[in-house]
This record gives sequence, structure tokens and C-alpha cells, in this order.
Amino acid sequence: KAGVTQTPRYLIKTRGQQVTLSCSPISGHRSVSWYQQTPGQGLQFLFEYFSETQRNKGNFPGRFSGRQFSNSRSEMNVSTLELGDSALYLCASSGGSNEKLFFGSGTQLSVL
Amino acid sequence: GQQLNQSPQSMFIQEGEDVSMNCTSSSIFNTWLWYKQDPGEGPVLLIALYKAGELTSNGRLTAQFGITRKDSFLNISASIPSDVGIYFCAGRNEKLTFGTGTRLTIIP
Repeated sequence: KAGVTQTPRYLIKTRGQQVTLSCSPISGHRSVSWYQQTPGQGLQFLFEYFSETQRNKGNFPGRFSGRQFSNSRSEMNVSTLELGDSALYLCASSGGSNEKLFFGSGTQLSVL
Repeated sequence: GQQLNQSPQSMFIQEGEDVSMNCTSSSIFNTWLWYKQDPGEGPVLLIALYKAGELTSNGRLTAQFGITRKDSFLNISASIPSDVGIYFCAGRNEKLTFGTGTRLTIIP
């Protein structure tokens, strides 16, 4: 069974640009969550999608948004990039609310 | 954002030693999970705990769900070089909240 796949693996953007990250969950998983990981703040929850609906949301500004498609694939968008948005963005999928969470390898975003 | 208190922050041990780390919270959790993360990769699930008092093993790893539901412990016995990495605890209610991580280094 293939794991969680995130693309691209690396991204370099400049301030003010926008970026879209993609995540394909494990086959059969309907829940996809996104996390931001930085050395100073650790793993911070962004949002969770289940059956194309946002189920939970973390404390991030509106520049961070996401969506989930009918095949459970998810995308995350960050608009008007800031230097502080440089981080490893991790996607995780699970079969349900109390199921184990499995992570992808992440997208390393660098904002210059 | 909310995070769990995980300790120690870092550990320097010799190969073959046992390792203990723990997570504490002011909140009660329904599930505790332990992950290991290698550089440049996503966290990999090690152990999942679902009931207070539960003790679960995965090879040389043993984790426990605290009776109060506010803490959890992870032990690694007879450490080997591939144990190097960052270990995260995570407590789950509606969403998953992560600990601050324990960086494990093995001294040659």
C-alpha cells in the first residue's frame, strides 16, 4: 500500500508570491491534515479535511487555506508569502477521527 | 499554538543504553501517539495508545498511557545507532497536539 505522497519535495519562492502544495493520502483514507514544522515552533496544526469538508482549523492567518477533492487528495495554498512561512509542511492521512495518523515526507518551503 | 511539554529536550547516550522520555499536559487526551522523525522526513508512527493505563510494546520500544490521561511515557531499551532522531509525543482529542520533541544522539 503506497504511503502519503507530497509534492513538490522542495520549493523556493520569494516574498509576496503564492504557493500550492499537494498531498495524496493513503488509499482508502478520507481524512487529511496539514501541519507546519519549524525549528522554533515545532509541529503546528493547520487544518483537517474529511470528505471534502474542513473539520478542524488551527490558529493560522487566512493566507493559509486548503481544500480536499472527491478522491481525498488535498491541496494547501499560502498566499502573499512571508519570510516566516519558510518551513517543512507536512500532510498526514488517517481513516477516521480516532485512527492513527500517517505522515508524508513533507514539502520544504523556503521563502527568500 | 498549543503544545505538550516533552522532556528531556535532548539526550546524549551510548549505544546499548536504555532511554526514557515523557510528555505531560494540563489537558486530558483520548489517544496518545509516539512518532520518530529523521532529518528531512515526516514523522513515522511508532506506538499508539488508546486507554488510560495501557502499556504497549513495539520491539525494543515500550510506551504507556498515563492513568490521569494527561501524560505518556516512551522507553527504548538497548539503543542502537538507527534510534538516532527526534521523538515526538502527540495527544489527540478533536485534533492532534504535538510535543516539543526529544532529540536522541548516540555518542560513539
